[in-house]
Amino acid sequence: QKEVEQNSGPLSVPEGAIASLNCTYSDRGSQSFFWYRQYSGKSPELIMFIYSNGDKEDGRFTAQLNKASQYVSLLIRDSQPSDSATYLCAVNGAGNTDKLIFGTGTRLQVFP
Amino acid sequence: DAGVTQSPTHLIKTRGQQVTLRCSPKSGHDTVSWYQQALGQGPQFIFQYYEEEERQRGNFPDRFSGHQFPNYSSELNVNALLLGDSALYLCASSFRGSGVYGYTFGSGTRLTVV
Repeated sequence: QKEVEQNSGPLSVPEGAIASLNCTYSDRGSQSFFWYRQYSGKSPELIMFIYSNGDKEDGRFTAQLNKASQYVSLLIRDSQPSDSATYLCAVNGAGNTDKLIFGTGTRLQVFP
Repeated sequence: DAGVTQSPTHLIKTRGQQVTLRCSPKSGHDTVSWYQQALGQGPQFIFQYYEEEERQRGNFPDRFSGHQFPNYSSELNVNALLLGDSALYLCASSFRGSGVYGYTFGSGTRLTVV
């Protein structure tokens, strides 16, 4: 079982819709969870991180964490074509704040 | 305020050769972490340098080695290159106290091994 799993996609949504990206992780001791956006050929950019159960909102983005289910998600409201990218889920393990374990990423396509 | 600078941006090497990649951290950062991202995969942690020492290492063979200089810049060396080493190599700098929360990624070096 991979430590961090994501559906590779592509996930296709129309402009203006809500895109829902999902991620599961295997280490119950994982403390913090990160969502990065990566455009093709570019470096990852941090969208947001979450460490408490529940929802965390930042503009059009909402991260949701359920530690009991070992599940974290990212919702993108009012999706725009510029949101088309690969979204990487990452976790850092219990007691280890200095490295990230990434999933393989989900490719999102927002069509006009 | 300069971000993280990596050089070169692209390079092509022949199998069996050696390569050195370079990273200059963001101003104020003292820790450098290296990641390998193969095509279609997420980044994988190679190792981290702080105070000129390797502090953590991922599951990579000894062919991968590194160095950090007194000015906090870092090098990643890969010996005896294999075709499977072809990837985007990312450097992330941070301030020690911030850990991964303070990561800033460079734009990467695309290595192609032929």
